[in-house]
Amino acid sequence: GEDVEQSLFLSVREGDSSVINCTYTDSSSTYLYWYKQEPGAGLQLLTYIFSNMDMKQDQRLTVLLNKKDKHLSLRIADTQTGDSAIYFCAEKDSGYSTLTFGKGTMLLVSP
Amino acid sequence: DTGVSQDPRHKITKRGQNVTFRCDPISEHNRLYWYRQTLGQGPEFLTYFQNEAQLEKSRLLSDRFSAERPKGSFSTLEIQRTEQGDSAMYLCASSVLAGVSEQFFGPGTRLTVL
Repeated sequence: GEDVEQSLFLSVREGDSSVINCTYTDSSSTYLYWYKQEPGAGLQLLTYIFSNMDMKQDQRLTVLLNKKDKHLSLRIADTQTGDSAIYFCAEKDSGYSTLTFGKGTMLLVSP
Repeated sequence: DTGVSQDPRHKITKRGQNVTFRCDPISEHNRLYWYRQTLGQGPEFLTYFQNEAQLEKSRLLSDRFSAERPKGSFSTLEIQRTEQGDSAMYLCASSVLAGVSEQFFGPGTRLTVL
């Protein structure tokens, strides 16, 4: 079955760049997503990338996809304290409509 | 507010009781999903609807769980004879049918079974 793995914790200083990594096993993934979850809140879609792309940039966010290694990363430039949250990587298989999520990476941004 | 809404936001119940949660999707979205999230885990898929048809169910959805979307709009998720292991956040999401089908999530219902 599908599996999505993430590192559990990342701590950075305000103003630095953050890089959150994710690996997945399903080679038929069509879309890969990054969601953000703040305490007590639902999931907010940050960005997504189609599997035939290798990079996508959206303001402070850069997504890199290495399809050969099944590795996805999210880079947040100029990280702010408001970026502190849990970040989930998720993939969607071409044959299904549902998402498979990783366990999430807790990002802590200190002033 | 035009986002996904869920009711109640919190539910505390005793083991063995039945509970029902409601989800109201974004109005033009014809797909509706239920996920369960336990502490320290990512959301896990339970079931999804396309309009009123329930198209897929996870093996996590035991016989005690039932979901409906009778008119293709709001959905309910019922858990019968709750167990302590059912304690979790129950998340609802909705999407349109085509393209990227981004799923927009509601705030969730946190269930605590005592």
